[in-house]
Amino acid sequence: EDQVTQSPEALRLQEGESSSLNCSYTVSGLRGLFWYRQDPGKGPEFLFTLYSAGEEKEKERLKATLTKKESFLHITAPKPEDSATYLCAVNAGNNRKLIWGLGTSLAVNP
Amino acid sequence: GAGVSQTPSNKVTEKGKYVELRCDPISGHTALYWYRQSLGQGPEFLIYFQGTGAADDSGLPNDRFFAVRPEGSVSTLKIQRTERGDSAVYLCASSLSGPQETQYFGPGTRLLVL
Repeated sequence: EDQVTQSPEALRLQEGESSSLNCSYTVSGLRGLFWYRQDPGKGPEFLFTLYSAGEEKEKERLKATLTKKESFLHITAPKPEDSATYLCAVNAGNNRKLIWGLGTSLAVNP
Repeated sequence: GAGVSQTPSNKVTEKGKYVELRCDPISGHTALYWYRQSLGQGPEFLIYFQGTGAADDSGLPNDRFFAVRPEGSVSTLKIQRTERGDSAVYLCASSLSGPQETQYFGPGTRLLVL
């Protein structure tokens, strides 16, 4: 069965303390992996799309990487405004829908 | 339009009533998706439209839920005989042509059934 698992469920960092969030997936025929950020009371905000193992994308303090089994979202020198829930989703095979993880809730303390 | 818009932003209704939730996708996007999200959970897929037709409605929980997209742009999610368990945030997303492409989300409609 296709599955997406995110870890940790929650993460608390000090401002400037770099870390990584993990999204591991078990699917047949990956067609795309998507990272989103969601703030309380808002819809998910698109961050990155990765299509093949070895691909990397970067935006400000965030960098997403992809292997054949997992993706990492690296956060370098985070700021309090990076506090949010980070969601990972996968499109695979002939699926017409995304398979979602439960998210990682990130809190960055000043 | 700049992004996906959804109306209303909040809806409070009584058990047994009928509600309609509206989604206006990004202009030119042929694919449109409805999701439901409960607190602490990822989005739960409901239905996917390609143009005017429902390409996949396997996520609709029961026949009280129905969605339309008559002109291939705006979509309406309709819920009949609402139940307290229908309370959630209903999210709409659109993508250029299909689920292998990035989906852009609206702000959601918060539905509360009393």
